[in-house]
Amino acid sequence: EVQLLESGGDLVQSGGSLRLSCAASGFTFSNYAMTWVRQPPGKGLEWVSSIVGSGGTTYYADSVKGRFTISRDNSRNTLFLQMNSLGVEDTATYYCAKHLTTVTTWGGDYDYWGQGTLVTVSS
Amino acid sequence: ETVLTQSPATLSMSPGERATLSCRASQSVRNYLGWYQQKPGQAPRLLIYETSNRATGIPARFSGSASGTDFTLTISGLEPEDFAVYYCQQRYILPLTFGQGTKVEI
Repeated sequence: EVQLLESGGDLVQSGGSLRLSCAASGFTFSNYAMTWVRQPPGKGLEWVSSIVGSGGTTYYADSVKGRFTISRDNSRNTLFLQMNSLGVEDTATYYCAKHLTTVTTWGGDYDYWGQGTLVTVSS
Repeated sequence: ETVLTQSPATLSMSPGERATLSCRASQSVRNYLGWYQQKPGQAPRLLIYETSNRATGIPARFSGSASGTDFTLTISGLEPEDFAVYYCQQRYILPLTFGQGTKVEI
């Protein structure tokens, strides 16, 4: 059974940093690109970042480029999102998501999602 | 950025009725459009990928279609568990974008 378990969400002050983790199980992690999607409270979904299976190529939304870094440790089946220079606009639930197929890079359909981890940035 | 405009924002329906949700793309996304369902407090769930392919375990009452840049999700015969928010998403052009959502309410 595929499982994705996020952690690391917290209350942080504006300008601070956080590192989110997503522990994956139930599939061959290194074969699949992975993605972070966020959702501000009461609002819609926003794509944040994606990483190919090898970890060699990454993609970012303009809103986080230069501040966030996506990475993965395939030996530990874990996806990460390092978030720096956080602002109140980054307040959201962050989901990690598995791509449906092994062939996609940034542009995936996401067949499994974690339960989300809440990041709250205070001013 | 490819803007996806969903309509209506809210759809008031009764169980058993047929629901039609629309998603219009601001430019061609070919067939690389998917639909997700989200219930309160839950993560999104993939329903349809590449316009018309049902994801694993999705009931046949969910179907997707397209005409040019206009995409449609149809739920034929609403079940009580179908009342939720639905999002479309394109994966053809960076940045990947989602529509703003359609809430299907009782």
